[in-house]
Amino acid sequence: KAGVTQTPRYLIKTRGQQVTLSCSPISGHRSVSWYQQTPGQGLQFLFEYFSETQRNKGNFPGRFSGRQFSNSRSEMNVSTLELGDSALYLCASSSASGRQGSGANVLTFGAGSRLTVL
Amino acid sequence: GQSLEQPSEVTAVEGAIVQINCTYQTSGFYGLSWYQQHDGGAPTFLSYNALDGLEETGRFSSFLSRSDSYGYLLLQELQMKDSASYFCAVSRSNYQLIWGAGTKLIIKP
Repeated sequence: KAGVTQTPRYLIKTRGQQVTLSCSPISGHRSVSWYQQTPGQGLQFLFEYFSETQRNKGNFPGRFSGRQFSNSRSEMNVSTLELGDSALYLCASSSASGRQGSGANVLTFGAGSRLTVL
Repeated sequence: GQSLEQPSEVTAVEGAIVQINCTYQTSGFYGLSWYQQHDGGAPTFLSYNALDGLEETGRFSSFLSRSDSYGYLLLQELQMKDSASYFCAVSRSNYQLIWGAGTKLIIKP
């Protein structure tokens, strides 16, 4: 089956602009999470959506927002871009069924969207 | 607060065995996962432990001790392709995942 698809793969923006990234999860997966990764850094959690509801949120400013659609596809938006927002943005989906279980903890990541802010 | 600690870098020799430790401090602990990420790639799932003990998957094994808030990933018969970063992540009862900063594994021939 198809994996997690993220678009666009690469993009360049300038400070002050905004950007929208898209993520299509594995078919049947209802949980989508977003992460920011900068060179040599770990995974910084942005937010997680399950059945169109934000279930968890990381410690990022309000310029970072997201949403999930009824088909589980998700988008994240970053407004008023800053140089420090340059990073790899990773989306991951899981088969979380609303109940804790091993399936909820297996994340499948997309290849990421690499954002460069000039 | 919630925290995970893992070594930033580990060096080993091809063919050897290496252990990457992860200690955590969190409430609502549900399980411990391990992910591998090669440079320029996306993280991929390796293993998940919810109960104490050792889980083996081929050359990789993962261990959990809930009483010690500690786990490790064991890689045997190291190959050059195992050079990557390894992340531990704690699952909490509120579905939140807490990630370690990652361990860069360097393998020398």
